[in-house]
Amino acid sequence: EVQLVQSGAELREPGESLTISCKGAGYSFTSYWIGWARQMPENGLEWMGIIYPGDSDVLYSPSFQGQVSMSVDKSTNTAYLQWSTLKASDTAMYYCARRLGRANHHSNWFDSWGQGTLVTVSS
Amino acid sequence: QSVLTQPPSVSAAPGQKVTISCSGTSSNIGSNYVSWYQQFPGTAPKLLIYDNNKRPSGIPDRFSGSKSGTSGTLGITGLQTGDEADYYCETWDSSLSTGVFGTGTKVTVL
Repeated sequence: EVQLVQSGAELREPGESLTISCKGAGYSFTSYWIGWARQMPENGLEWMGIIYPGDSDVLYSPSFQGQVSMSVDKSTNTAYLQWSTLKASDTAMYYCARRLGRANHHSNWFDSWGQGTLVTVSS
Repeated sequence: QSVLTQPPSVSAAPGQKVTISCSGTSSNIGSNYVSWYQQFPGTAPKLLIYDNNKRPSGIPDRFSGSKSGTSGTLGITGLQTGDEADYYCETWDSSLSTGVFGTGTKVTVL
């Protein structure tokens, strides 16, 4: 069974840094893209980007380029989402998900999702 | 704001049918496949449809998907109270070189 288990809720102050994690199990972690999505309170899903654990290739959505960093640790089957300087507007639920489909991205979908990590940024 | 537009809400009585549209452009839906997700409050999204019209194992055939030109459509027949949730479309945008979600649609069973 494919499982993605995310790290727990975080409370930070503006200006602080943060890294949240997403640990994959039950499949070949390095063979599938992992994506991240943001959901701000009472809002819809936003596509942040995807990372390929096999070679750490990353594709960021233009809206999130430069705002966050994605990385992986193949030795622990874990993907990470990092902020160097948090803002109040980063307050949201963040989901990781496994991406299936074709290499050219024209046919891709998220088939398994983590439970979400709630990030609250407040002074 | 999303490049994929969905109606904010749709509603119907139990047993009836609803359709949810997802309107895009030639650079996203027009040249790529559409997937659909269901999300209940406080939970992670769940894949309902991929490759425009395919259902993962375990998804009932009451849920269907289609695509025509630059629009995708999700259909739900035999509507049940348990179908009350938010629904999102998703596709790749070849111009942005990124994926995009739709604005989301809340389904209400009257």
